[in-house]
Amino acid sequence: GQNIDQPTEMTATEGAIVQINCTYQTSGFNGLFWYQQHAGEAPTFLSYNVLDGLEEKGRFSSFLSRSKGYSYLLLKELQMKDSASYLCASMDSNYQLIWGAGTKLIIKP
Amino acid sequence: GAVVSQHPSWVICKSGTSVKIECRSLDFQATTMFWYRQFPKQSLMLMATSNEGSKATYEQGVEKDKFLINHASLTLSTLTVTSAHPEDSSFYICSASETEYGELFFGEGSRLTVL
Repeated sequence: GQNIDQPTEMTATEGAIVQINCTYQTSGFNGLFWYQQHAGEAPTFLSYNVLDGLEEKGRFSSFLSRSKGYSYLLLKELQMKDSASYLCASMDSNYQLIWGAGTKLIIKP
Repeated sequence: GAVVSQHPSWVICKSGTSVKIECRSLDFQATTMFWYRQFPKQSLMLMATSNEGSKATYEQGVEKDKFLINHASLTLSTLTVTSAHPEDSSFYICSASETEYGELFFGEGSRLTVL
């Protein structure tokens, strides 16, 4: 079956660094997406990885290991506005997105 | 980034009525549009994939006769919830992509409440 696993909730301190992990098992693989979703709002695109390695985009970086079925989202210099849910999604061989349940990130001052 | 507009943001309707939600790509032509539903404290669930000029592809368990999807142009897709019931109350979100498997841009979402 197809499955995406990510932690339900994480807590971090303002100014610190946090890493949100995601493991996936999908029928085929056409890329791994990370989205940010604030409560009551639609998700916004953060990153897309299809090749192994780390992609850096400002304070956010995303890593992919295809052989391990593993990705992480790294958030640096955390700000209070980063409090949100972070959704991991894998695109399968049919180009359908398989979504994780999301990780709720709580930032404390 | 590209902009996707969804309308209405909020809608309250009586049980048995039909509700139409529009999804527009404002500054690009969307080959593919996706419709999702999100129940409280749950993740997004893909309902259907809509390609311009062809019939939508529905996910398993989604009633195509109840959730009518029309993608008549490269900038507009509509979702009509027919004969809505309280259990259809949910947050409906659309997304669009310029290319078939490219970056997705999401609408603001439409919160439907059926009384």
